[in-house]
Amino acid sequence: ELQLVESGGGLVQPGGSLRLSCAASGFTFSGYWMHWVRQAPGKGLVWVSRINSDGSSTSYADSVKGRFTISRDNAKKTLYLQMNSLRAEDTAVYYCARDVLAAGSHGMDVWGQGTTVTVSS
Amino acid sequence: QSALTQPASVSGSPGQSITISCTGTSSDVGSYNQVSWYQQHPGKAPKLMIYDVSNRPSGVSNRFSGSKSGNTASLTISGLQAEDEADYYCSSYTSTSTLVIFGGGTKLTVL
Repeated sequence: ELQLVESGGGLVQPGGSLRLSCAASGFTFSGYWMHWVRQAPGKGLVWVSRINSDGSSTSYADSVKGRFTISRDNAKKTLYLQMNSLRAEDTAVYYCARDVLAAGSHGMDVWGQGTTVTVSS
Repeated sequence: QSALTQPASVSGSPGQSITISCTGTSSDVGSYNQVSWYQQHPGKAPKLMIYDVSNRPSGVSNRFSGSKSGNTASLTISGLQAEDEADYYCSSYTSTSTLVIFGGGTKLTVL
């Protein structure tokens, strides 16, 4: 079964840091581009970041550029999102997702259940 | 960059067909065939329904179809069923620094 399981969410104060993890199973993790997408309470989906299959290329939404870092460990089949200098507007459910095709940004066909990040004092 | 533009809500009766539009610009929908559509039920993760404008992933009903004309992509659901009631989001690759952009979402109500 194709599966992504996120962890690492929680309550953090403004200016703080958090690292999210996304464990993959049921497919060849090293063969796919991966994404992080977030959804603020009651709001729509917002793309956050993506990484290519070997980790050599990354992209970020302007709103998180310079604060968030996406990375992956293909040996551990795990995707990460290091979030620094967190702001209240970063409060959201964070999803990891697999690109439907091995490379490129064509659509996301496997999603995790999401992990909640709350930034508040 | 602003989100792709979708209607806030659409509705239809069981058995009918509905279409949800998704309007972008020449930097995204108009120039790339990397348009995808997602269905999201309350409290659940999104589900991919269409990728690359008109391709259905394995397991998605053929009642769902996608198309594109100019800067506007569309999702059509035929033979509406009660379980189709959900939020629907479009997404596109973009040549801007953002790389991937989503629409604001459309709430589908099955009357």
